Order: sequence, then C-alpha cells, then structure tokens
Amino acid sequence: DQQVKQNSPSLSVQEGRISILNCDYTNSMFDYFLWYKKYPAEGPTFLISISSIKDKNEDGRFTVFLNKSAKHLSLHIVPSQPGDSAVYFCAARSNFGNEKLTFGTGTRLTIIP
Amino acid sequence: GAGVSQSPSNKVTEKGKDVELRCDPISGHTALYWYRQSLGQGLEFLIYFQGNSAPDKSGLPSDRFSAERTGGSVSTLTIQRTQQEDSAVYLCASSVGGGLGNQPQHFGDGTRLSIL
Repeated sequence: DQQVKQNSPSLSVQEGRISILNCDYTNSMFDYFLWYKKYPAEGPTFLISISSIKDKNEDGRFTVFLNKSAKHLSLHIVPSQPGDSAVYFCAARSNFGNEKLTFGTGTRLTIIP
Repeated sequence: GAGVSQSPSNKVTEKGKDVELRCDPISGHTALYWYRQSLGQGLEFLIYFQGNSAPDKSGLPSDRFSAERTGGSVSTLTIQRTQQEDSAVYLCASSVGGGLGNQPQHFGDGTRLSIL
C-alpha cells in the first residue's frame, strides 16, 4: 500500500529552466509534507516543507505547492542548476501517531548543462 | 559534529551473524528515528524514540530487529541472525521533537549493510 507516490522515476531538465517534481498521496490524515534531496552515498538532505494549512511555501529557488483536494504536491526549482542533479524524495507525516515519515520512491533529476 | 553521525558507514557480514549499527543524533534533539532503504525503494520506517517515552517499534520487520537509545542520545540498532533480505542502507534521523510543531527530520549518511 503505497501511500506516497512519485510516479516519475526520472526527469531531465535543461540548466536554467524550471524543474517540476510531482508527488501524490492517498492518506487524508497527512498534515505535513517535506521534500528531501539525496546524493549517492549520502543521507537525504531536508530541502523544504509545507503544512497542510498552507498551499505554497517558497525558499529561494525552491517552491512547494500543495493541493489538498487533489492530494497532490509539487516541488518547483527555478532556475535549475547542475548541482540540483540528485534523487528527490517526497515525504509526508500524519497528524496521528508517531511522527514517522512516509516516503515516496524518489525521482532522479538530471540537469543538462 | 553538527549533524547526525552513523557508524560504520559500510558493513559486510555473513548470513546468520549479528550486527550493531550506531547513531549519534544532533545534540539537543529528543526525537530519533531509524529507517532503511532497500535497493530501488523509498525509505521504510523502522522505529521511533521520543525522549524517555517507550519507543514505537511498529515498523520493525521481525523480532530479529531491536533498538536501544541510551541516556536519550546515542542509539544502537541490532539485527540478529542476519538474512540476505536485510541488505539495505540503514538511515538514522533526529528532530527537535517534544511536540514543538512541524520540525523536519535530519538524516545521517547511513550504514550500507551487505549480507553475504
């Protein structure tokens, strides 16, 4: 039962353009959503998060959008840079229980110079 | 250091042996989590510690897995009688915790466990 889904295993974007990574979820109890970036042989690095009471959160080149009615969130990176090439994981936390994060399977983003 | 520290970074062992994985969380973080990532998969929750409360072990896949957290800081994940399906990257994370609202979890670099 995959409660957090990232349906695109990979994405290639030209340097300077916008990268859009998508994530869908099924559990309506999720109230906090996060994006992590992961380089090979390193742990995930926290990028940006959003609470379910908001629909947008922006931090520099990164913006996360949340559409609760569609149970969909997206991460926009603009402009995309070569250092953004990594695997991006979407994660969600329920407002009940132990604060564990439920992760998607990741999207590998490649920025083409 | 300032981040979550895990050791060893790599561990290769024979099937049937026991292994211990260590995690040093960020200083002052009361919440500590263990996850694992199998090849091509997302991160799978294993266990959660919050302060002095009883840990939430709901993610542990079998009774061969156990974890301790001593003095509210360092944690050890133990896998007994390892099997080949235990091969994965084991990741530890910590967060401020304590019911202080939405706080991100910060991860270590993981231990890559390979069972021969």
